[in-house]
Amino acid sequence: NAGVTQTPKFRILKIGQSMTLQCTQDMNHNYMYWYRQDPGMGLKLIYYSVGAGITDKGEVPNGYNVSRSTTEDFPLRLELAAPSQTSVYFCASRGRSGYNEKLFFGSGTQLSVL
Amino acid sequence: DAKTTQPTSMDCAEGRAANLPCNHSTISGNEYVYWYRQIHSQGPQYIIHGLKNNETNEMASLIITEDRKSSTLILPHATLRDTAVYYCILKSPGRGSTLGRLYFGRGTQLTVWP
Repeated sequence: NAGVTQTPKFRILKIGQSMTLQCTQDMNHNYMYWYRQDPGMGLKLIYYSVGAGITDKGEVPNGYNVSRSTTEDFPLRLELAAPSQTSVYFCASRGRSGYNEKLFFGSGTQLSVL
Repeated sequence: DAKTTQPTSMDCAEGRAANLPCNHSTISGNEYVYWYRQIHSQGPQYIIHGLKNNETNEMASLIITEDRKSSTLILPHATLRDTAVYYCILKSPGRGSTLGRLYFGRGTQLTVWP
């Protein structure tokens, strides 16, 4: 199992550009999450999904969109990139069974908006 | 979910035990204590969790005080690879959309020196 895979690892965008951060998992997990981490800070939840076709906002959703057409994939879309979106983005997943909050994280995408 | 208080940084000699404290004086009866760590430039990694009994796994031990107002994560024989930010997180058993929504604060930067 590859676990949670994120692409790209690094990206530089100009203000106003758009891009999609890819996230895929091969563990058949129902729950998937997008977090962002600003320098020296903890993680903040952007969006999450409890299953294919179901998504909802987290703590900091403005400027982002998501979709969940399959169990495996949970892409994050930035439509009009702004400098405030410079951050490291982490995708995570969780299985359905039990109440164990054991999340599996990807290795992250470092995004700079200039 | 209640907040936790952790020291900003700690250090430890390689081969010695690393004891990372966490205060959670307002913890509620059904909240679990979770520990994650984040090695530089990687996604967070689950370590261990517990409710009120001490727990041990292949990575670490978790000691929770009897009144549950504080806990300690113990890495019994720290190595250089244990240098990371360690997060102490409280989470009540979630249902549906609350599952996996964790609050990551700033954590404790543990530096293991040779």
